[in-house]
Amino acid sequence: AQSVTQPDIHITVSEGASLELRCNYSYGATPYLFWYVQSPGQGLQLLLKYFSGDTLVQGIKGFEAEFKRSQSSFNLRKPSVHWSDAAEYFCAVGAPSGGSYIPTFGRGTSLIVHP
Amino acid sequence: DAGVTQSPTHLIKTRGQQVTLRCSPKSGHDTVSWYQQALGQGPQFIFQYYEEEERQRGNFPDRFSGHQFPNYSSELNVNALLLGDSALYLCASSQIPATGELFFGEGSRLTVL
Repeated sequence: AQSVTQPDIHITVSEGASLELRCNYSYGATPYLFWYVQSPGQGLQLLLKYFSGDTLVQGIKGFEAEFKRSQSSFNLRKPSVHWSDAAEYFCAVGAPSGGSYIPTFGRGTSLIVHP
Repeated sequence: DAGVTQSPTHLIKTRGQQVTLRCSPKSGHDTVSWYQQALGQGPQFIFQYYEEEERQRGNFPDRFSGHQFPNYSSELNVNALLLGDSALYLCASSQIPATGELFFGEGSRLTVL
């Protein structure tokens, strides 16, 4: 069965500092990987996804993630954090099934941004 | 273009009662998935509906049931509510063939007393 581990429950950074959120996955085949963001009182929004090809993936809002098969990781990065990035971030792994995707989500990492 | 809309946004029930949550998918989407998000946890997959049929189901008891209508909207029903059913229930829409992106609503916050 597929699973996702996000080892950091909370991450605190200063505005303007760089950010890296960790994600490790367990999956029996080539994984399809996702990062979603959830702002307070909002639903989840897709930041980026990796299916194949270039292991460095660019997403929205200046985020990027790198797939490292040898480490079973898909860490999310941003070079300079803005106060509006404060939110809950979820890593997910999945694969197409019946024409659709059913991602398995990690428990999330809460990002706190200090001014 | 309206995104995914869910109703009600908040509701309170007591143990043993039944609840129905509603979801309208994003325009152009034909597939609806439901997730349960307990406090401090990631979303857990309940089931997915496509062409008015339940296509896939997660590890949830039969107390959780659903329906999809011809206009692609969907309902989630939970019977015999337990305290542990208190959670944010998220609806996500997508299309088949899938692009890999799920569009989520803002959720329905259910509190069971």
